[in-house]
Amino acid sequence: DAGITQSPRHKVTETGTPVTLRCHQTENHRYMYWYRQDPGHGLRLIHYSYGVKDTDKGEVSDGYSVSRSKTEDFLLTLESATSSQTSVYFCAISKSPDREAGVTNEQFFGPGTRLTVL
Amino acid sequence: SQQGEEDPQALSIQEGENATMNCSYKTSINNLQWYRQNSGRGLVHLILIRSNEREKHSGRLRVTLDTSKKSSSLLITASRAADTASYFCAAQSREGFKTIFGAGTRLFVKA
Repeated sequence: DAGITQSPRHKVTETGTPVTLRCHQTENHRYMYWYRQDPGHGLRLIHYSYGVKDTDKGEVSDGYSVSRSKTEDFLLTLESATSSQTSVYFCAISKSPDREAGVTNEQFFGPGTRLTVL
Repeated sequence: SQQGEEDPQALSIQEGENATMNCSYKTSINNLQWYRQNSGRGLVHLILIRSNEREKHSGRLRVTLDTSKKSSSLLITASRAADTASYFCAAQSREGFKTIFGAGTRLFVKA
């Protein structure tokens, strides 16, 4: 397994409270991603990072913020959790794609965090 | 909307049979990837096919890509009960770097 851990693995919180999920990698990959997985929607990209302090929005970024102060850590914050943010959250990592070198962007996933917002 | 859309949503077959899953996408791609997810686990990368490739094999997996139809298929031959999982296609757009996942096909292989 790629060296990716997520914490916490399970969390139950109340509407309106802040929540931070942590993703930690030991692979030194440049790219890191946060997805949410909901029935019928597959995985939807929330935010991603292409380097320390370099982040960009995905398709469902509203209500979420991220930070990456070190290569190995990528934090996802729900500033004020809502019930619609109840989901399973996955972190993923990948190398930088390099067509000339034949490096593609296969992603390696963490085990997931199940978040319930009551 | 999803870049990748899988078909069928669910598939139930007997052990030893072949399983075919299809994926359609909407824009120009650099590559298309297939992932597997066991219940309660993260996704695991299975195979990647580049936009200039038409077919690729890996063990019991065969992937085809038709860029003119913006579609791909994943064939698992001689299926086993252990192949029971959800399978996702993921299209990496030519514009930008984002990889968009489909909603997945749930495969159940009966022993």
